[in-house]
Amino acid sequence: AQTVTQSQPEMSVQEAETVTLSCTYDTSESDYYLFWYKQPPSRQMILVIRQEAYKQQNATENRFSVNFQKAAKSFSLKISDSQLGDAAMYFCAYNRARDMRFGAGTRLTVKP
Amino acid sequence: DAGVIQSPRHEVTEMGQEVTLRCKPISGHNSLFWYRQTMMRGLELLIYFNNNVPIDDSGMPEDRFSAKMPNASFSTLKIQPSEPRDSAVYFCASRTRTSGRSTDTQYFGPGTRLTVL
Repeated sequence: AQTVTQSQPEMSVQEAETVTLSCTYDTSESDYYLFWYKQPPSRQMILVIRQEAYKQQNATENRFSVNFQKAAKSFSLKISDSQLGDAAMYFCAYNRARDMRFGAGTRLTVKP
Repeated sequence: DAGVIQSPRHEVTEMGQEVTLRCKPISGHNSLFWYRQTMMRGLELLIYFNNNVPIDDSGMPEDRFSAKMPNASFSTLKIQPSEPRDSAVYFCASRTRTSGRSTDTQYFGPGTRLTVL
C-alpha cells in the first residue's frame, strides 16, 4: 500500500521567514502526482501546489515551492516570506489513478 | 465557477437517524470523491465515481454507508442508521480526468460537519 508520511506534526515560523515542511511517500509506480493542500480553520481544503512525477523541474507557485526528490521519494514544501494567512494545517498527498492518499498533516503556526 | 458545493454545511442528528449529505461537483468534472476526516484517522477516501459510476468503494466503512451519483452534477452520501462514531467532516471533491496521464487535480468542497449524538 502506498503511504504518505509527514514527520512534523507541528511547525512554527516567524512572519517573513522561510519554513520547510517535510513529506515522504512510498510507491512502486513511476508516474504519479503529488500535492500539497492547505486547510485553514475554515476547514476548506485548498490546493497549494502540485508536482507531476515525470517532470524533473520542481514546481513553484509564488511564495510556495517544492523540493521533489523522486529517488528518495521525498516531497517537501518551502514557504518563503511567511504570512499570517499561511497559518493552517498542511497535507501532503499522493495520487495515482484511483489511489489518493494523504499524510497526517503538519500544523503551521506563523508568529507575528 | 462556483467550485464544489456541499450541503448541509453542518448536520446534527441523533443516533439511529438517517443522514444524507449532498454534493454538486464542478461543471465538466467527470470524477467525484467522498472523503471522511477525523482526528484519529485523518483523511480517508470513502468512494470514488468516474462518469457517474462507482469505481472503488473499498473505503466505505460498512453497509450503513451508501453513495449514489444519479447524474454528472449531483451525488449523495447516506448513512442509515447513523452512529456517534460517524461524527466527522465529510468532504466531496471532483476532478477532470485527463487522457494519457493518470490523474488531475482534485478540488474540494467546503465539507459537511456531521455530529451524531
